[in-house]
Amino acid sequence: DVKVTQSSRYLVKRTGEKVFLECVQDMDHENMFWYRQDPGLGLRLIYFSYDVKMKEKGDIPEGYSVSREKKERFSLILESASTNQTSMYLCASSLSGVWGGMNTEAFFGQGTRLTVV
Amino acid sequence: GENVEQHPSTLSVQEGDSAVIKCTYSDSASNYFPWYKQELGKRPQLIIDIRSNVGEKKDQRIAVTLNKTAKHFSLHITETQPEDSAVYFCAAIGTNAGKSTFGDGTTLTVKP
Repeated sequence: DVKVTQSSRYLVKRTGEKVFLECVQDMDHENMFWYRQDPGLGLRLIYFSYDVKMKEKGDIPEGYSVSREKKERFSLILESASTNQTSMYLCASSLSGVWGGMNTEAFFGQGTRLTVV
Repeated sequence: GENVEQHPSTLSVQEGDSAVIKCTYSDSASNYFPWYKQELGKRPQLIIDIRSNVGEKKDQRIAVTLNKTAKHFSLHITETQPEDSAVYFCAAIGTNAGKSTFGDGTTLTVKP
């Protein structure tokens, strides 16, 4: 059973703080993703990574950075948290189709609800 | 890049009726189309998917159809039950390392 685990379920941070959201998957997936979920806006991609140390910007990367030093771990960093980054953050992983295989479903973590005050 | 539009944003049906959710995509290179169900307070989970070499796929009360020419695909739920109430997301994935573009979601409410 695939497991994607996010380090925190709820976080409250102050404006200007540096925030780390951690995500770990145990199925040796190449792809890992960070999404932000807001009411009425669906799932918006912040960053994704298709291999260790590789990263690509998604649709809303401003104010965020990521780190993928190990295959199983993908971290989202808010360099200086702002109130407009209050949201639900979802991590996901999937097998990669880029190396000749087929694209497959994404497995999601349980989400981190971040509140910036 | 890929753009996915999903309609309707909300859908309310009576128990036992059918529900249909439609999505259109823009990138003709997209080749994989999953549907996810997200119950309140839970993570999205795959319920059905279809690849571009297939026109229709069915799994019990759930079916998905794909029209590659028109670039749209639909989720069909028959004999709806209250436990089908959730937010449903469609997605389209092309060749770029499995990057999914999601629709904005449909909130389905099944009234007993």
